[in-house]
Amino acid sequence: DVKVTQSSRYLVKRTGEKVFLECVQDMDHENMFWYRQDPGLGLRLIYFSYDVKMKEKGDIPEGYSVSREKKERFSLILESASTNQTSMYLCASSLGMTSGSYTGELFFGEGSRLTVL
Amino acid sequence: KNEVEQSPQNLTAQEGEFITINCSYSVGISALHWLQQHPGGGIVSLFMLSSGKKKHGRLIATINIQEKHSSLHITASHPRDSAVYICAAEGGAQKLVFGQGTRLTINP
Repeated sequence: DVKVTQSSRYLVKRTGEKVFLECVQDMDHENMFWYRQDPGLGLRLIYFSYDVKMKEKGDIPEGYSVSREKKERFSLILESASTNQTSMYLCASSLGMTSGSYTGELFFGEGSRLTVL
Repeated sequence: KNEVEQSPQNLTAQEGEFITINCSYSVGISALHWLQQHPGGGIVSLFMLSSGKKKHGRLIATINIQEKHSSLHITASHPRDSAVYICAAEGGAQKLVFGQGTRLTINP
């Protein structure tokens, strides 16, 4: 089974702290995504990556950066956390569209609930 | 107006009832996804469809491209089906626009 693992289920940080959220997948997926989920707003795409070293801005990239140095790992970085970044963060992965096994199925991690005080 | 609208937002039913959740979208899509989220956060992909109908167990998803509408049906509903169901429109390259979700509660 595909497993997408997020490093922390719950984090509490202070305003101005640097925050790292790690995501690791074990199925050699090309595509990886970071979303945040807020009540009334649903899931919104922050950043995504189609390959190692590649990154693309999603719909709400402001205040975030990402790193993909290895294919299995996609990190979300909050350079200076703010209270409006309190949210549930979800990582997802999928096969690349050029893969012979492509189904379009997304595999999600369990989520990281971040509280910024 | 959201690009992806789900209805109802909340649905409570008795065990055994036939359930329908609706999703309308205003953007052009390459595919429509249905996802399930249980309490605690984990999300599972149920279906991805671009035309017609798909069935998996007691779950059926349909899509009408001309009307820009999709439905998720659950037959013989069970309390373990209680979850938030989310539809998402894919515009291409797996960039998804999500609906706000439908919270389903099935009472025994």
